[in-house]
Amino acid sequence: QVQLQESGPGLVKPAETLSLTCAVSGYSISSGYYWGWLRQSPVKGLEWIGIMSQSGYAYYNPSLKSRVTISLDTSKNQFSLKVNSVTDTDTAVYYCARQPANGEWYLQEWGQGILVSVSS
Amino acid sequence: QSALTQPASVSGSPGQSITISCTGTSNDVGSYNRVSWYQQHPGKAPKVIIYEVSKRPSGVSNRFSGSKSGNTASLTISGLQAEDEGDYYCSSYVHSTTSLLFGGGTKLTVL
Repeated sequence: QVQLQESGPGLVKPAETLSLTCAVSGYSISSGYYWGWLRQSPVKGLEWIGIMSQSGYAYYNPSLKSRVTISLDTSKNQFSLKVNSVTDTDTAVYYCARQPANGEWYLQEWGQGILVSVSS
Repeated sequence: QSALTQPASVSGSPGQSITISCTGTSNDVGSYNRVSWYQQHPGKAPKVIIYEVSKRPSGVSNRFSGSKSGNTASLTISGLQAEDEGDYYCSSYVHSTTSLLFGGGTKLTVL
């Protein structure tokens, strides 16, 4: 059974880069699926950030696209999220997730989430 | 793109049925059968309970069902149980931006 686990700093300063990693166990990320990120805050609710496949296809939320990068590290079976130039509105619980790659647009498996606060 | 519209809250007594609506546009809910529903309990990650409008993942109770008419999708929970209490979110594929859009969430209270 696939399991996803987020990790990274819980506090980021404004204008800096938020970096998170999602370790995957029970499935090789190079074998298929899309791997992505979402976040949830009281202000913005649940927000899809983007996904990437092992073959390099990536799709991003248009409102975040200019500041976000998702990358896969198949050697470590993990994937990462970077959000540039963060502000307090980027404060949220961040989830990593797995999305089917056959045209089914839903999040099939989720990590437990990690709270990231943006504050000086 | 604006969030899909869901009622802020719904409630029902044990054994009853409730329906949660999710209204979008012809560019999202109305354009493809790529609507999904998620259940979230406090402090936990969301869990998919319906995908592609009406399909249930393995292990999800058949008390959960989904449907769609035009630009509005619906989640029905029959035989309401105390464990169903929580937040429910709909989401839809958005064709014009190749992205996923969520609703604002609905808090279900089991009386």
